[in-house]
Amino acid sequence: KAGVTQTPRYLIKTRGQQVTLSCSPISGHRSVSWYQQTPGQGLQFLFEYFSETQRNKGNFPGRFSGRQFSNSRSEMNVSTLELGDSALYLCASSLQTKDIQYFGAGTRLSVL
Amino acid sequence: ELKVEQNPLFLSMQEGKNYTIYCNYSTTSDRLYWYRQDPGKSLESLFVLLSNGAVKQEGRLMASLDTKARLSTLHITAAVHDLSATYFCAVGMNYGGATNKLIFGTGTLLAVQP
Repeated sequence: KAGVTQTPRYLIKTRGQQVTLSCSPISGHRSVSWYQQTPGQGLQFLFEYFSETQRNKGNFPGRFSGRQFSNSRSEMNVSTLELGDSALYLCASSLQTKDIQYFGAGTRLSVL
Repeated sequence: ELKVEQNPLFLSMQEGKNYTIYCNYSTTSDRLYWYRQDPGKSLESLFVLLSNGAVKQEGRLMASLDTKARLSTLHITAAVHDLSATYFCAVGMNYGGATNKLIFGTGTLLAVQP
């Protein structure tokens, strides 16, 4: 059974650009959550989608957005990149609420 | 907002020794997770604890949950080098309906020395 797949694995962007990250959950999982991991702030919740609906959102500026498609794949977008957006972005999927959340390998974003 | 505190932040252990990592959280929750992260890697699920008094064991690791004290522990028995990693606890949010939002602790960097 394939795990959570995140693409791309690495990205280098410059300030002001925008970026789109992709996450394919485990087959059958309808819940997808996104987290940002940085050395200074640790792991912080970005947003969560369930059956194409955003169910929860973390305390991030509006430059961070996401969506989920009918096949449960999810994308997150960051517009007008700032240096502080450099981080490891992790996607997690689960079958139902309160189930184990399985994490993908992450996308490492570097903003120069 | 729910806060999760882990201690210690850094733990240097000798092989063969036992130790415990503590995870305290500030408000009621009905689920707690433990994850392991190796350098440059993603998070690997270790345990899910769903009820008061829950205890789960896998190899040299044992996790427990006391929901009344809002405390979970991860006990390491007879540590080996392969256990060196960062360990995170994460608490599930319990408000406003169903959600998978997790609040993570700061992580404990475990270094097992030969």
